[in-house]
Amino acid sequence: DVKVTQSSRYLVKRTGEKVFLECVQDMDHENMFWYRQDPGLGLRLIYFSYDVKMKEKGDIPEGYSVSREKKERFSLILESASTNQTSMYLCASSLPGLLVAQYFGPGTRLLVL
Amino acid sequence: SQQGEEDPQALSIQEGENATMNCSYKTSINNLQWYRQNSGRGLVHLILIRSNEREKHSGRLRVTLDTSKKSSSLLITASRAADTASYFCATVGFSGGYNKLIFGAGTRLAVHP
Repeated sequence: DVKVTQSSRYLVKRTGEKVFLECVQDMDHENMFWYRQDPGLGLRLIYFSYDVKMKEKGDIPEGYSVSREKKERFSLILESASTNQTSMYLCASSLPGLLVAQYFGPGTRLLVL
Repeated sequence: SQQGEEDPQALSIQEGENATMNCSYKTSINNLQWYRQNSGRGLVHLILIRSNEREKHSGRLRVTLDTSKKSSSLLITASRAADTASYFCATVGFSGGYNKLIFGAGTRLAVHP
């Protein structure tokens, strides 16, 4: 079974802090994704990566950056956390292409005070 | 606008009953996927149906696809309390200059013992 793990289930940070969310997958998937999920807005794509050291902006990249130094790890960085970044963050991975299933981690619920 | 939109938004049934959720989409597709999300958790891939398939089964799940009507349905037979979750359909759409998996807003299913 594919396993996607995220470093924290719950996280509380203060405004202005730099926040790192880590995601690791163990199935040698090329694709990795970061989404945020908010009530009434559904899942929105923040960044995605099709290979090591590659990254592409999604729908809402402002205020975020990513890092993919190793194939299995995709990190989401909040450069300076703000209260409007309070959300559920979901990482996913998949084989190449979009005509395949995405496998999600358990999510990180981030609260920015 | 959403590529896939689920209907109804919420569904409440008794254990043992069948649950049917519908998804409509706007553009032509190669496949359509259904995901489940338990409260506060990540999404779990349930089933993928290709555009040349009309029906697919997986355990108690039955998915149909009608490309002429641009719609799909997910039927859960003999529902259990553990089926309580949100269910999302997802299709590939082109938006913001790239192809991506676009999720609908979801149907919240509550199965009462």
